[in-house]
Amino acid sequence: DAGVTQSPTHLIKTRGQQVTLRCSPKSGHDTVSWYQQALGQGPQFIFQYYEEEERQRGNFPDRFSGHQFPNYSSELNVNALLLGDSALYLCASSLGGGSKTDTQYFGPGTRLTVL
Amino acid sequence: GQQLNQSPQSMFIQEGEDVSMNCTSSSIFNTWLWYKQDPGEGPVLLIALYKAGELTSNGRLTAQFGITRKDSFLNISASIPSDVGIYFCAGPEGAQKLVFGQGTRLTINP
Repeated sequence: DAGVTQSPTHLIKTRGQQVTLRCSPKSGHDTVSWYQQALGQGPQFIFQYYEEEERQRGNFPDRFSGHQFPNYSSELNVNALLLGDSALYLCASSLGGGSKTDTQYFGPGTRLTVL
Repeated sequence: GQQLNQSPQSMFIQEGEDVSMNCTSSSIFNTWLWYKQDPGEGPVLLIALYKAGELTSNGRLTAQFGITRKDSFLNISASIPSDVGIYFCAGPEGAQKLVFGQGTRLTINP
């Protein structure tokens, strides 16, 4: 049973560039949530996708956008990168549109460094 | 939004010692979750609590849902080297979003 997978593992970009991160949910899951974890902090909710639509959004600017595909996988896009966007980006999958947040399973994350 | 404060921020203990950490909130939660994060990994759910006053165990880990619903506690008994990591409390804000504390970093001296 495949768990949550994320790619790439690490990424280095420069200010102003754009980045796309990818997530495949755990087998049987249909909902994907994205979190940003700065160094030494807990994860911060970015948004959640269910049925290919964004269902809820955290306190992040429009530079952060996403997409969910028919196979439930998801992408997180960040435009006009800032130094402060350097963080570990976590994907969490669940079932049923987030009706039970405790059943969110996290992937290993993508470490983004912005220079 | 809701905020979770964890204490202590870090702990340095000897192998075999018991560990206690807690988490407090500015507002009421109906569910409390405890996660552990190892280096290079995402958080892994350890214990979920659903009722005020509830005490739940998972092996050497025991967590309690505070009566006021604004706090929770996690205890680890007889610590071993693999307990090293960062422990996070979390709670749901709405149906989709998890709010996390800033974490307690546990270091164990052999």
